[in-house]
Amino acid sequence: QVQLQQSGPGLVKPSQTLSLTCAISGDSVSSTSVAWNWIRQSPSRGLEWLGRTYYRSKWYYDYAVSVKSRISINPDTSKNHFSLQLNSVTPDDTAVYYCARTATAGMYAWFDPWGQGTLVTVSS
Amino acid sequence: DIQMTQSPSSLSASVGDRVTITCRASQSINNYLNWYQQRPGKAPKLLIYAASSLQSGVPSRFSGSGSGTDFTLTISSLQPEDFATYYCQQSYSTPFTFGGGTKVEIK
Repeated sequence: QVQLQQSGPGLVKPSQTLSLTCAISGDSVSSTSVAWNWIRQSPSRGLEWLGRTYYRSKWYYDYAVSVKSRISINPDTSKNHFSLQLNSVTPDDTAVYYCARTATAGMYAWFDPWGQGTLVTVSS
Repeated sequence: DIQMTQSPSSLSASVGDRVTITCRASQSINNYLNWYQQRPGKAPKLLIYAASSLQSGVPSRFSGSGSGTDFTLTISSLQPEDFATYYCQQSYSTPFTFGGGTKVEIK
C-alpha cells in the first residue's frame, strides 16, 4: 500500500520560500509508471495542480503557468521523497498543500494516494 | 487550460436518496475524467477514474458516466458517510484541472 507523508513548516513570511517534503512508502520516486505531484487548495482558488516530476529514463518536470517562474519540484532518490519549493511567496499562496501520486492505466491517470495535507500560511 | 464546471455547487439530500452531480468540460476530454470525495479536514479520495471505473474498495452505490464534455457522478442510495464534497478532475492534458466542487449536505 502506497503512503505519502508530508512535512514542512506551516508558517512562511512574505517574500520567503515555501518548502515541503513528501516521503514515499510502498513505491519508488524513480518508478517509470507514475508521477509525483503537488496540488494546493484554498477557498479562493479551489483545488489547483501546481506541477509534477516523473522518471522515464531521465527526469521530467511540468509546472502550472501560474507558478512556473517560482516553483521547483525535486526528487531525491536516496531518501525516496520529493520536495516542493515555491519562491517569493505572498499571502495569496496561503493554502493547504497536498502531494499526490499520479497512478496510470494505459493513457488514463488519476491522483491516488494523496498526502495528509499541510496548511501553509503566508504571514509576517 | 480546460475549465471544469460542476453543478450544483451544493445540494441537500436525505439518507437513501439518489443523488446526481454533473461536471462539464470546456472542450472534449474523451473519458479522461476522475471523481474524488473530500471530507472536512481530509485529503480528497479517489472514487471513479476514466469516467466510469470504480476504484477498488469504493462502494458500488457510486457510479460514473459520460464522455466528451458531459459527465455524471451518481450515488444510488445516499449513506451517512457520503455527506462530503465531490470534485471532478480532467486528466486529458496539463494543467490538470478540477471542478469547483459539489457539497452534499444533510436535509
